[in-house]
Amino acid sequence: GAVVSQHPSRVICKSGTSVKIECRSLDFQATTMFWYRQFPKQSLMLMATSNEGSKATYEQGVEKDKFLINHASLTLSTLTVTSAHPEDSSFYICSARDSAREWDNEQFFGPGTRLTVL
Amino acid sequence: AQSVTQPDIHITVSEGASLELRCNYSYGATPYLFWYVQSPGQGLQLLLKYFSGDTLVQGIKGFEAEFKRSQSSFNLRKPSVHWSDAAEYFCAVGAPYGGATNKLIFGTGTLLAVQP
Repeated sequence: GAVVSQHPSRVICKSGTSVKIECRSLDFQATTMFWYRQFPKQSLMLMATSNEGSKATYEQGVEKDKFLINHASLTLSTLTVTSAHPEDSSFYICSARDSAREWDNEQFFGPGTRLTVL
Repeated sequence: AQSVTQPDIHITVSEGASLELRCNYSYGATPYLFWYVQSPGQGLQLLLKYFSGDTLVQGIKGFEAEFKRSQSSFNLRKPSVHWSDAAEYFCAVGAPYGGATNKLIFGTGTLLAVQP
């Protein structure tokens, strides 16, 4: 149980285009999902907290107009990187909290999406 | 400020040897504590977690961790390392209470290499 999927696993795009990444909780409902960015050989950097039915909460320094987050259902959150540039190339990981187990703070992680902007 | 420190960036052990990965935290109260493992190009998998009770926590894949309040530590151990344990290990802390939007604070990670 507690499986989180991400799609696509890899994406290559041209500079200036937008890319959408999907994060799905497959066997549980997730009121809250999180989006992280990870640079090579570094830790995870939390970008934003995605809340179902409401606006995402962005961490300091993360451009909300650049990284659009939509959490339209209890099993799906999307991250759209708008007008992507090479410096946006990174590994993006989502995680989800089980709505039935919010007391324990555990996050279930997706497999990640490797974004390369040419 | 809340923080997690993993002092060892990179550790190499021989297969069959014992392993200890260090984790120290700074938090206003005793937090919830987690160890995650990440294989190359993959997401994170939970190894174990501590909320309360017995300070020695057993996890998957033969790992265990001990919470030491006096040292603000939550070190991960394994008595005999297997080649498949080579990966990056992250310690994380979270608020000591439930809540939908509670965030986790991650350490910088320890990269484990296993020699044959």
